[in-house]
Amino acid sequence: DAGVIQSPRHEVTEMGQEVTLRCKPISGHNSLFWYRQTMMRGLELLIYFNNNVPIDDSGMPEDRFSAKMPNASFSTLKIQPSEPRDSAVYFCASSRDSSGNTIYFGEGSWLTVV
Amino acid sequence: DQQVKQNSPSLSVQEGRISILNCDYTNSMFDYFLWYKKYPAEGPTFLISISSIKDKNEDGRFTVFLNKSAKHLSLHIVPSQPGDSAVYFCAARGGATNKLIFGTGTLLAVQP
Repeated sequence: DAGVIQSPRHEVTEMGQEVTLRCKPISGHNSLFWYRQTMMRGLELLIYFNNNVPIDDSGMPEDRFSAKMPNASFSTLKIQPSEPRDSAVYFCASSRDSSGNTIYFGEGSWLTVV
Repeated sequence: DQQVKQNSPSLSVQEGRISILNCDYTNSMFDYFLWYKKYPAEGPTFLISISSIKDKNEDGRFTVFLNKSAKHLSLHIVPSQPGDSAVYFCAARGGATNKLIFGTGTLLAVQP
């Protein structure tokens, strides 16, 4: 079975540009999570969806960040405009239920904003 | 405000010895705890978990201990192997929401 699929794997962009990260969750999973990994804060939960509906976006840093899940098999995380401090690894994860007891991560999208 | 804390950013252990990774939490509403393992350039993968109704869970070389009164859990790996070298994340869920809260991770290096 395919795992969580993220694209792009690596992105280098200039400050001020729009960045869109994409995620395809595991088929049959109804919860989707976006995490960001940094050295200082480890893995931070940005937002999670249950049945395509955003449940908790309290971790989204600021209005420059937005996430959508138009259907059960696709989600995007957008940063507009991007800033150097957004440089991090962004992980998408999914699970069968919203409890998140076992969530499965994608390989991550490495973002560098210069 | 870090609700899940891993105070040791790194740990080095000799092959064959025991590795002990520690994790502290502040939210008494957490009722389920997990450890994830992460290799470079890969996503974290689930390793082992424990419910708050237990104080120990064992799976092969991996054992997780939970001390609810101290709000502390630990992961024991014995014997440690070079392939165990990775970043280990502690995570917890519970309270008002069911989202998983992760710690900052501990880099384990097992020396041959």
